Amino acid sequence: QVQLQESGPGLVKPSGTLSLTCAVSGASISSNNWWSWVRQPPGKGLEWIGEIYHSGSTNYNPSLKSRVTMSVDKSRNQFSLILRSVTAADTAMYYCAVTVNGEFDNWGQGTLVTVSS
Amino acid sequence: EIVLTQSPDFQSVTPRAKVTITCRASHVIGTTLHWYQQKPDQSPKLLIKYASQSFSGVPSRFSGSGSGTDFTLTINSLEAEDAATYYCHQSSSLPWTFGQGTKVEIK
Repeated sequence: QVQLQESGPGLVKPSGTLSLTCAVSGASISSNNWWSWVRQPPGKGLEWIGEIYHSGSTNYNPSLKSRVTMSVDKSRNQFSLILRSVTAADTAMYYCAVTVNGEFDNWGQGTLVTVSS
Repeated sequence: EIVLTQSPDFQSVTPRAKVTITCRASHVIGTTLHWYQQKPDQSPKLLIKYASQSFSGVPSRFSGSGSGTDFTLTINSLEAEDAATYYCHQSSSLPWTFGQGTKVEIK
């Protein structure tokens, strides 16, 4: 079973850059899956941020597209998220997940990122 | 963007009761609709994929149905451990979207 583990700073200053990594185990990041980021503001619902394939192909949510970049590191079997120009509205639990055939089969435990000075 | 609307937003149910949660899509999405369970302080877990296919290891009391724009998640004989928020999600058209969630409380 695929396991995912998010990591990164828990506090980011307003107008700064959020940078997270998701380490994948139990599967190769070069397998026929898409790798996604989903976030959840405190007490609210789920929002899909975007996804990346091992080739580097990406799909982003239009609501965040101008501020998001995703990348894959095959040598470390991990993928990453960069979100620029953050505000308090970006405070959320950030999850990485694997998409097998459209559905999110497995999720990481999540990492809370707070945007505050 | 496809909007998913769940109903109800909240449901308080006695153990062993039957729970029905609906998800309506703003456009026809075939059966590309999936259901997740999120318990407090945990990440979401896949329950049902493609409207009616149970995910590995999910108890048989969870089932899904529907196609087109209207979908249903059913929990037969609710157990205390089923207290959670349930979300639907569509993978028919980018951007992938989620319903707003339905919180199920045990009376």
